[in-house]
Amino acid sequence: QQQVKQSPQSLIVQKGGISIINCAYENTAFDYFPWYQQFPGKGPALLIAIRPDVSEKKEGRFTISFNKSAKQFSLHIMDSQPGDSATYFCAASRGGGFKTIFGAGTRLFVKA
Amino acid sequence: NAGVTQTPKFQVLKTGQSMTLQCAQDMNHEYMSWYRQDPGMGLRLIHYSVGAGITDQGEVPNGYNVSRSTTEDFPLRLLSAAPSQTSVYFCASRAGTVNSPLHFGNGTRLTVT
Repeated sequence: QQQVKQSPQSLIVQKGGISIINCAYENTAFDYFPWYQQFPGKGPALLIAIRPDVSEKKEGRFTISFNKSAKQFSLHIMDSQPGDSATYFCAASRGGGFKTIFGAGTRLFVKA
Repeated sequence: NAGVTQTPKFQVLKTGQSMTLQCAQDMNHEYMSWYRQDPGMGLRLIHYSVGAGITDQGEVPNGYNVSRSTTEDFPLRLLSAAPSQTSVYFCASRAGTVNSPLHFGNGTRLTVT
């Protein structure tokens, strides 16, 4: 039983378009929600993260939207570029982040 | 800086064989963990450690053992490999401060035949 459900499994976006990846969670004790980006042959790396006391966080072209009542959060990539082509994982943790639980991942391909 | 180093990068085992996946970090991080990555399943936590001498189970611990004798090293042992353990294994570390990011190694691709 996945504690963090992620969709879609794969996504193709035109260059300059908006990429949107969605995640939902069940455990209301989660208090930290990071997104990780993974390129082929590499380990994941932190992209952006949010706490549930804010509804949105923006860093450059990347924005997390958070809906606490719906227990959902999403990653928006504005002006998507071919270099953004990677696998994206949403995640959740509680109590300081010692047990970080990941979603199933979304493979993003940005067409030039 | 080397960061998190995993060895080997690739390994093929026969069913029933044992092996140890090595993980070392040079960032003096207190917390280390092991994940396995499978298609459609994402990253699943196997075991983790919050400091030398302290380990605990994650989501999928069966078939794996760990120990943490030093801050730097966190090896993962497969005592009797099974085909279901074919996966890509990632080691990660993080500082002890609240919500500090995970730093991942580049993975070990393991195939069990």
